[in-house]
Amino acid sequence: AQTVTQSQPEMSVQEAETVTLSCTYDTSESDYYLFWYKQPPSRQMILVIRQEAYKQQNATENRFSVNFQKAAKSFSLKISDSQLGDAAMYFCAYRGPVTGNQFYFGTGTSLTVIP
Amino acid sequence: NAGVMQNPRHLVRRRGQEARLRCSPMKGHSHVYWYRQLPEEGLKFMVYLQKENIIDESGMPKERFSAEFPKEGPSILRIQQVVRGDSAAYFCASSPFRSDEKLFFGSGTQLSVL
Repeated sequence: AQTVTQSQPEMSVQEAETVTLSCTYDTSESDYYLFWYKQPPSRQMILVIRQEAYKQQNATENRFSVNFQKAAKSFSLKISDSQLGDAAMYFCAYRGPVTGNQFYFGTGTSLTVIP
Repeated sequence: NAGVMQNPRHLVRRRGQEARLRCSPMKGHSHVYWYRQLPEEGLKFMVYLQKENIIDESGMPKERFSAEFPKEGPSILRIQQVVRGDSAAYFCASSPFRSDEKLFFGSGTQLSVL
């Protein structure tokens, strides 16, 4: 079964600085999607960014970018110019063609932004 | 265009009672997924439904749990004879197509079993 591992339960960053959240995954599939979701205290799961495995170029969405290393099965999220509103739980998730009905989520990283 | 709507937001039940959680997908979405989030854990897949059909229930406990998505009305996740271990946040998500890689989530229902 696919597994997603987030080894950093908690991270903190100074406002306006950059932080990187780590995620690794295990799969035997060659084509799949990877995601980062943000869960603020409101509990709403918000899609931050997604990456198609067949694309070599790293996805970017404004201040959010990923470092996708397919061979290493690594998918880290970089948040630049951190803002107070970025404080939340961040979940890494995997979805593959065989297991397409299911997203596999990591256990999350709690990000604190220090003013 | 309203997002995925879940209600109630909080639900308190005593052991042995039934819990009914409702989910209205986004307009135009005919695929619904239910996930459960236990404290300090990520979301775990429970069931995937299309209108009037259960497509994949491999993540749902065999007993006490059931789900439906009728032709009209919201999707319902039903938990009979709740136990304390059922206490969790239950999230519904929807997508317009099965192959769509994006899911749109509701804000969840927090179930507390006393």
